[in-house]
Amino acid sequence: DADVTQTPRNRITKTGKRIMLECSQTKGHDRMYWYRQDPGLGLQLIYYSFDVKDINKGEISDGYSVSRQAQAKFSLSLESAIPNQTALYFCATSDQDTQYFGPGTRLTVL
Amino acid sequence: QKEVEQDPGPLSVPEGAIVSLNCTYSNSAFQYFMWYRQYSRKGPELLMYTYSSGNKEDGRFTAQVDKSSKYISLFIRDSQPSDSATYLCAPYSGGYQKVTFGTGTKLQVIP
Repeated sequence: DADVTQTPRNRITKTGKRIMLECSQTKGHDRMYWYRQDPGLGLQLIYYSFDVKDINKGEISDGYSVSRQAQAKFSLSLESAIPNQTALYFCATSDQDTQYFGPGTRLTVL
Repeated sequence: QKEVEQDPGPLSVPEGAIVSLNCTYSNSAFQYFMWYRQYSRKGPELLMYTYSSGNKEDGRFTAQVDKSSKYISLFIRDSQPSDSATYLCAPYSGGYQKVTFGTGTKLQVIP
């Protein structure tokens, strides 16, 4: 089984809809991250959490929120999706420096 | 100026060529230097990890760090079609700081 799983893997939604992306990890790491990846822009950090009670904004947190339900679970929400949030979203975990990425969620907002 | 600059490519080389991938950075606090490889439709995976200046070799891959010029390189010898992927440099200052990723260089190795 994969160490970092993301659900759903693909999602098409409409403008204004609320959507949640979920991430689970079995590596036992405290640190978890959400990134989005766009062509030419690389990985941009949305939110990160260094432990269950710690939530921090990344470079591009506007329009997103997160919930750290447990050490193993970190969810990303788009409260009211807009087309420029169409992207590939990655969850990652880390012990300290090495990051382990999930397979990604391809989100399309129409 | 971005904290980490990386040429996005694409870079296309024939099989067997030596490939050089590079990044520059501006933050003097970076102490750890990583390269991630990302295949199409997959998440990035750690390929090489180097601490401070110097070289590190792992099979056909060599990571090189020059902290005086803030320059990071990844060399691939005898490149193979299976090396076709996007390579992201990722310097890091340690502790509770965030890893900073370059935009990635897309490499294609032609058989």
